[in-house]
Amino acid sequence: QLVESGGGLVKPGGSLRLSCAASGFTFSDYYMSWIRQAPGKGLEWVSYISSGGSTIYYADSVKGRFTISRDNAKNSLFLLVNSLRAEDTAVYYCARGYGPGNSNWFDPWGQGTLVTVSS
Amino acid sequence: EIVMTQSPATLSVSPGERATLSCRASQTVSSNLAWYQQKPGQAPRLLIYGASTRATGIPARFSGSGSGTEFTLTISSLQSEDFAVYYCQQYNNWPPLTFGRGTKVEIK
Repeated sequence: QLVESGGGLVKPGGSLRLSCAASGFTFSDYYMSWIRQAPGKGLEWVSYISSGGSTIYYADSVKGRFTISRDNAKNSLFLLVNSLRAEDTAVYYCARGYGPGNSNWFDPWGQGTLVTVSS
Repeated sequence: EIVMTQSPATLSVSPGERATLSCRASQTVSSNLAWYQQKPGQAPRLLIYGASTRATGIPARFSGSGSGTEFTLTISSLQSEDFAVYYCQQYNNWPPLTFGRGTKVEIK
């Protein structure tokens, strides 16, 4: 199970720290991602972190503004979102990555946390 | 970046009928394709991975096919709980991991 928290209403240029608490599986064995969905829109992958945290990727749309991290001792995933823009308004999902080798599909997903960027 | 194109955007189907959803990749993704179902107000749920392997607990009426650049999700006999939005996602060449824009399956 994955449970996100930390979303809310923030002004343009502001920051938030999103959290995702994992349970029911060995968190440290799995790579994780954040995926977002703007209101009424499709899914957009945001960021990836390997199981040990040594490999990290970002979508171009958030590179330099968002920082992904994890605490395997606390079974937690984080996303620090800085310099927020109106177009960052979305539900942010954490999802467990799965698959052999370089495969990366998502299962399961958390219920999401809503980030609203507005003045 | 691999662009995933889903068609149609909306599919109107009667309960009990067959639904066929398409997903096309801008370059080959081999069989590295997943399908997800999303109902209103819910998180997406994995249906298919490896283009054709059903995820745990997914009913047999859902089937996936294709490889390379052309993929299909078929729902053999639509149940009321199947009306939802369906997304495809490629994981062959990443980052970035990319999704299609979705196909909404609605009641006819």
